[in-house]
Amino acid sequence: SQKIEQNSEALNIQEGKTATLTCNYTNYSPAYLQWYRQDPGRGPVFLLLIRENEKEKRKERLKVTFDTTLKQSLFHITASQPADSATYLCAHFGGSTLGRLYFGRGTQLTVWP
Amino acid sequence: DAGVTQSPTHLIKTRGQQVTLRCSPKSGHDTVSWYQQALGQGPQFIFQYYEEEERQRGNFPDRFSGHQFPNYSSELNVNALLLGDSALYLCASSRRTERSTEAFFGQGTRLTVV
Repeated sequence: SQKIEQNSEALNIQEGKTATLTCNYTNYSPAYLQWYRQDPGRGPVFLLLIRENEKEKRKERLKVTFDTTLKQSLFHITASQPADSATYLCAHFGGSTLGRLYFGRGTQLTVWP
Repeated sequence: DAGVTQSPTHLIKTRGQQVTLRCSPKSGHDTVSWYQQALGQGPQFIFQYYEEEERQRGNFPDRFSGHQFPNYSSELNVNALLLGDSALYLCASSRRTERSTEAFFGQGTRLTVV
């Protein structure tokens, strides 16, 4: 089965530091990876999409990398703030565009002052 | 422009009962997908509807069924509820003609089975 893993369940960092979250995939080579933010009791909110031919993508304080050799995506939040505290989910389409999304279990980020 | 709306937001049901959850997609979207998210887990795909037909289905039993209406809104029905069906149920909408774009999620329905 197409598996997507986020190995860190929780990450705690100090305000101002860079948070780095990891997403690994097996048994499949996705053409796209997506990152979502989810606050408690809320639906996921899309943040960034990166294509396999894009090594890096940025949006304000967010940066995503995609390493097809390592089968890994890294998600960075620079100059982190307490408001960045949330669960971050990695997902891919599993070869079916507009079809099902395969999600990792998420990494819960806590940024403390 | 209203995003994806789901109702109700919270629901408590007894084992063996049946439940219906509702979803209105984002304006301009024609495809609706349903996900189940257990506590501490990522969302798991249940099924997807387009043109009022189920197009894809995840690994969920037949107790889970759905419907899409001509206005693109959708319902998720779960029969013979089990304690393990307690979860956050998420609806996501998208536009069929747009490939590989993000999914827009509703706020979810928190179902508790007692």
